[in-house]
Amino acid sequence: GAGVSQTPSNKVTEKGKYVELRCDPISGHTALYWYRQSLGQGPEFLIYFQGTGAADDSGLPNDRFFAVRPEGSVSTLKIQRTERGDSAVYLCASSFGGVNGYTFGSGTRLTVV
Amino acid sequence: GENVEQHPSTLSVQEGDSAVIKCTYSDSASNYFPWYKQELGKGPQLIIDIRSNVGEKKDQRIAVTLNKTAKHFSLHITETQPEDSAVYFCAASKGNQGGKLIFGQGTELSVKP
Repeated sequence: GAGVSQTPSNKVTEKGKYVELRCDPISGHTALYWYRQSLGQGPEFLIYFQGTGAADDSGLPNDRFFAVRPEGSVSTLKIQRTERGDSAVYLCASSFGGVNGYTFGSGTRLTVV
Repeated sequence: GENVEQHPSTLSVQEGDSAVIKCTYSDSASNYFPWYKQELGKGPQLIIDIRSNVGEKKDQRIAVTLNKTAKHFSLHITETQPEDSAVYFCAASKGNQGGKLIFGQGTELSVKP
């Protein structure tokens, strides 16, 4: 597609449930990034993939958060045992590598009730 | 780690006036400084960027300046228009971190007609 696609655009879940957020990067982009944006704040880095491997997962807040990119294209961010504090917009970005062609998707708004 | 501070948090100007947003960064190894515009319900969109080997860059009504010694960079928007109203974020990146961006807290710009 023309841009980075994130699905769903909105997700409401109950506390304690498991959720998966999907990101389809721009075709040909080898690098993929996940960020979390709380209300009124700038995006915070979570994890970055180069190809299939997680090159830097230093931003994942705890072991309830996990992300995969098995074929080097689509990525899924997985959150177990969701908490109300996980409510935020989860943004995905992709690039040709480094900052070249860096493009964000519109995000998934996650609400944990 | 890197820390980026952004000021002001809100800025209101009259149409046609100039707007200036300032950011400081802590890590002298940072070498790439993009500025993003984010509209409601959308992901951040790159509007201009500057690398550490350049002091100033212009693109029509938008300019960015970088002072490496002082570790600060600024966004200048001239002849503001109502459609410039949005939240603006600065960010910093180190070349050896594969495109990981550290964002400022954002500035909500309101341009009054």
